[in-house]
Amino acid sequence: LAKTTQPISMDSYEGQEVNITCSHNNIATNDYITWYQQFPSQGPRFIIQGYKTKVTNEVASLFIPADRKSSTLSLPRVSLSDTAVYYCLVGDSGGYQKVTFGTGTKLQVIP
Amino acid sequence: DAGVTQSPTHLIKTRGQQVTLRCSPKSGHDTVSWYQQALGQGPQFIFQYYEEEERQRGNFPDRFSGHQFPNYSSELNVNALLLGDSALYLCASSLDRGYTFGSGTRLTVV
Repeated sequence: LAKTTQPISMDSYEGQEVNITCSHNNIATNDYITWYQQFPSQGPRFIIQGYKTKVTNEVASLFIPADRKSSTLSLPRVSLSDTAVYYCLVGDSGGYQKVTFGTGTKLQVIP
Repeated sequence: DAGVTQSPTHLIKTRGQQVTLRCSPKSGHDTVSWYQQALGQGPQFIFQYYEEEERQRGNFPDRFSGHQFPNYSSELNVNALLLGDSALYLCASSLDRGYTFGSGTRLTVV
């Protein structure tokens, strides 16, 4: 399984765009990149998933360069409620695959 | 459409005891995975069940066992509890791509 590296923590002011980058140098051809959000004492919540280029949904965008060795989660105009831990995961697209979490990035949004 | 349901939400057990945690997957999902999350850490994969059989297992001792029922619900059993087993236990269900997690069971071993 491809290992991921993310910043341990980030701070941002309300209303700003936040970009969290994840490195995954050993990503395999059939691996997808998935981001989860987790609030304290809750289970992780799926945010976005992509394979290459750019993916956008109602809450975030995911940018993946051509070599796929990194990815960037972009959160537009964050609010205090976006304070959470964000995990980048890399693995096969199948939901039956073992998913390995790293330590994640703790995002603190400041008023 | 109900998501993943876990019970109980909180549990306190004494060292050496046994515990059973329960999980009902999201409707339509046939695969259940269990994770252990210690405070300040990312979730660690315990095992995964599909078609009532353990399909994959993480680096956890045999004290951790599980079961999946014909309706896809699942149980996690932990024997001979240690203080280090105190954690948030998460259940995740899946069908194709991506996982849906429950809110977890907070287990405290004293």
